[in-house]
Amino acid sequence: DAEITQSPRHKITETGRQVTLACHQTWNHNNMFWYRQDLGHGLRLIHYSYGVHDTNKGEVSDGYSVSRSNTEDLPLTLESAASSQTSVYFCASSEFGAGGYNEQFFGPGTRLTVL
Amino acid sequence: KQEVTQIPAALSVPEGENLVLNCSFTDSAIYNLQWFRQDPGKGLTSLLLIQSSQREQTSGRLNASLDKSSGRSTLYIAASQPGDSATYLCAVEPFNAGKSTFGDGTTLTVKP
Repeated sequence: DAEITQSPRHKITETGRQVTLACHQTWNHNNMFWYRQDLGHGLRLIHYSYGVHDTNKGEVSDGYSVSRSNTEDLPLTLESAASSQTSVYFCASSEFGAGGYNEQFFGPGTRLTVL
Repeated sequence: KQEVTQIPAALSVPEGENLVLNCSFTDSAIYNLQWFRQDPGKGLTSLLLIQSSQREQTSGRLNASLDKSSGRSTLYIAASQPGDSATYLCAVEPFNAGKSTFGDGTTLTVKP
């Protein structure tokens, strides 16, 4: 069955370190998204991609970067981790065509703690 | 800017009750509206997606309706069960982009 996997599931890091969160999907979807979920703020979009080599900033992109070198993967990098980036991070994918109507499917999440 | 509101933030009902969860949005130019379920510590599970041209979608005990003109969607859960306890989120996608705006969710507790 097609799925989205995220790794690691839990990560503790220190302020100032570079961290990369992995997202891998086997749906063969063109669209991929990174969100963060925080109490009091709901789900907020960090970055998104509509295809290979395409990346776009979401509403809370400062301090984060992504790159898309293939269809399956969209890694999220925190250039210099800050305590404000302690959160749960979700990856999602979707597809416009073939009757998909852009239904989003989510990964299990990565809980990141920045000390 | 699209704003999505879900009221109430929390709801507690006895088992067996039929219930309605609400989702309101400010911009009616939408491509689709999607309802999700999230269990504690888990990711989001897609429940139903309603295209902008549709009025409702059904899956088992769940029925979602969409009224674009009034900027509202409802998720109807029939004969609620304790296993339905979770947070329910709605997400609205505009026509001009493939990215959605999410509500903050309604946390449902179904008591045995």
